[in-house]
Order: sequence, then C-alpha cells, then structure tokens
Amino acid sequence: AIRMTQSPSSFSASTGDRVTISCRASQDINTYLAWYQQKPGKAPKLLIYAASTLQSGVPSRFSGSGSGTDFTLTISSLQSEDFATYYCQQYYTYPRTFGQGTKVEIK
Amino acid sequence: QVDLVESGGGVVQPGRSLRLSCAASGFTFSGFAVHWVRQAPGRGLEWVAVISYDGSFKKYADSVKGRFIISRDNSKNTLFLQMNNLRPEDTALYYCAKDASGFGEVYFDSWGPGTLVTVSS
Repeated sequence: AIRMTQSPSSFSASTGDRVTISCRASQDINTYLAWYQQKPGKAPKLLIYAASTLQSGVPSRFSGSGSGTDFTLTISSLQSEDFATYYCQQYYTYPRTFGQGTKVEIK
Repeated sequence: QVDLVESGGGVVQPGRSLRLSCAASGFTFSGFAVHWVRQAPGRGLEWVAVISYDGSFKKYADSVKGRFIISRDNSKNTLFLQMNNLRPEDTALYYCAKDASGFGEVYFDSWGPGTLVTVSS
C-alpha cells in the first residue's frame, strides 16, 4: 500500500497567518491527490483534488500544489473557520490511503 | 444537493454481525461509485471498501477482506455494508462517501455524517 505522510502532525497558528501543510507519498502518484478538511464531530469535506484543483464552493485562500511524491496545501490567510484537521489522500491506486492528519489549532 | 445518510450502527459483541445502510439522494445514485470509510475514535481516516456504479467492481481493505461485504440497491438508492465476525478493532465511525466517478477511480466528493459501530463484550 502507498504510505502517505503528513507534516507537521499539528501546529498552532493565528488568524491571518499563511500556513502550509506537507504530504509525502511513498511512491509516485502523479497528481492523484486530494485534500480534505474535517472539523470536530463532522464528516470530512473535499477541498482540493488533482493536487491543485479547488472544489466548487471552497474559498480561494486554499490552494494545493505538487506532483509525484511531494504535495502542499496552503491557506493564504487563516480564518477562524479554518481551524480543523486536514487530510491528504491518494487515489492513484487501491487501497486508497490517507495521511495521518494535520491538526491546525488556534494560537 | 447531495445527501448521504448512514444507519445501522450500534453496540455489538465480538464475532457477531451488523449491516450498515447508506441512503442517498440529490444525485443519480446509479451513476456513481460509493465507498465506506471509517474512523476509529480519536484516529485518522481508513478506507474500507468501494463498489462501482453497477456493482461489477468491488474492492476491500486487507483489514476487512473476507469479513465485510459491500453491496448496493440502485432501485432504492441505498448502499450497504455487511460486517461479519466483528472485532474490537472494527470500532469506528463509518462514513459512506460518494466517488466523483462511476468506477471508483477518483476522489470522494460527498460524505455522510457517519454511523457509529462499537464492538465490545
């Protein structure tokens, strides 16, 4: 199975900060990568697919980049509603695998 | 508006069975693959199984292969997960998630709120 590793596992940030979350795949997955946001007690929500395509309705402060094995999710200016856990997921092959998650907390 | 609603969760003893359902609305259910994804308490997301739009393609995680069976009834817009020989490590919130393709080739663009399964004696 392809292993997805996110870094950091958690961090604190302030509203207005630019934040970056990294995701590394254990093998080349081209751009078959999605990012999800999960708030406590809620289901995950798709943010980005194909590594850099913003899902309809997702604010433009979210962006994704990367290909191959290294990917990045960036929030250009953190808002209060962005404090959540973020997961990357590869859909290059089965089994589908997720990163362990990155929790973004309020500083 | 896509809506997915899971049901059937509960507390069950190890070795017993449980059947989960996911009722879909707001889209052409028969045109899309659907998945089950689970999340153990306080843990990350684990993909469990997928079924294609017509049921011809099914795939399972190694952790559930041979114990869980995914199926669908397109006439009732419903997805199922038959879980047999349950183990304590199957304890999790089980989500159904819609694939953006018919054969389960891409990402999950909609999720239900989940149903909780607890395996305990």
